[in-house]
Amino acid sequence: EPEVTQTPSHQVTQMGQEVILRCVPISNHLYFYWYRQILGQKVEFLVSFYNNEISEKSEISDDQFSVERPDGSNFTLKIRSTKLEDSAMYFCASLWRGHTDTQYFGPGTRLTVL
Amino acid sequence: AQKVTQAQTEISVVEKEDVTLDCVYETRDTTYYLFWYKQPPSGELVFLIRRNSFDEQNEISGRYSWNFQKSTSSFNFTITASQVVDSAVYFCALSEAYRNTDKLIFGTGTRLQVFP
Repeated sequence: EPEVTQTPSHQVTQMGQEVILRCVPISNHLYFYWYRQILGQKVEFLVSFYNNEISEKSEISDDQFSVERPDGSNFTLKIRSTKLEDSAMYFCASLWRGHTDTQYFGPGTRLTVL
Repeated sequence: AQKVTQAQTEISVVEKEDVTLDCVYETRDTTYYLFWYKQPPSGELVFLIRRNSFDEQNEISGRYSWNFQKSTSSFNFTITASQVVDSAVYFCALSEAYRNTDKLIFGTGTRLQVFP
C-alpha cells in the first residue's frame, strides 16, 4: 500500500540554525500539507501546497517556514532561524482530491532545538 | 469559526470494557468532513474513518463504531470490547469543503489507556 515517507525521523539542531524536513507524498496525490504537534498537544496545521504554490498558511507558520516541491516527488519544509519552541513533531500529509478525500500522514520528524 | 472539542482528556478502562470517545464540532459550512485518527505510542497518525456531512448513517467496522449526529454536532467513537492494543491518543478532526485546502482542524485528543 502506498504511503507517505518522511526523513529524517529525528533531527537535532542548535537554536538559530536552519533545518529542512523532507517528505515524499503518495505518488498520485495532488495536495500536500505540513502539520506540527508540540509534545502532548494537538496537531496544528502549518501550510498547504497545491499546483506548485502555497494555498494556505496558518498564522503560526509566518515567514519562518517555507515549503518547496523541488522535483516531482519531494516536498520540503524549511524552518529558518529555529527557536526552542519549534521543537515538535512535524507531520507531512498528502491528499488525492477524489472520492476518498482523506489525508494520509507520514510517520513524522521529531525536531529538537537545543 | 471552525472548532473541534474533545472534552475527555484521558480515559482509562479495563480490557473488554466498551468505551466511547466524544467529539463535538463547530462549523458554519453546510458541507464538511469529519475524521478520526489514532496516534499510538509510536507517534504516527493512523486514519480510522472519514464522514461527510450529508451522510448521517452510523458506521461499524469490527469493534469500532461511529455515531454522527448533526443535530448535536457530534461525531462520537465507540470501541467495543476494548483491548490493550487500543491504547493510544485518538483525535477527531474537521475539514470544510468550501476551502480549497481541505486543511484538518484537530481536537485536543483523548488519551485512552486500556489495562489488562
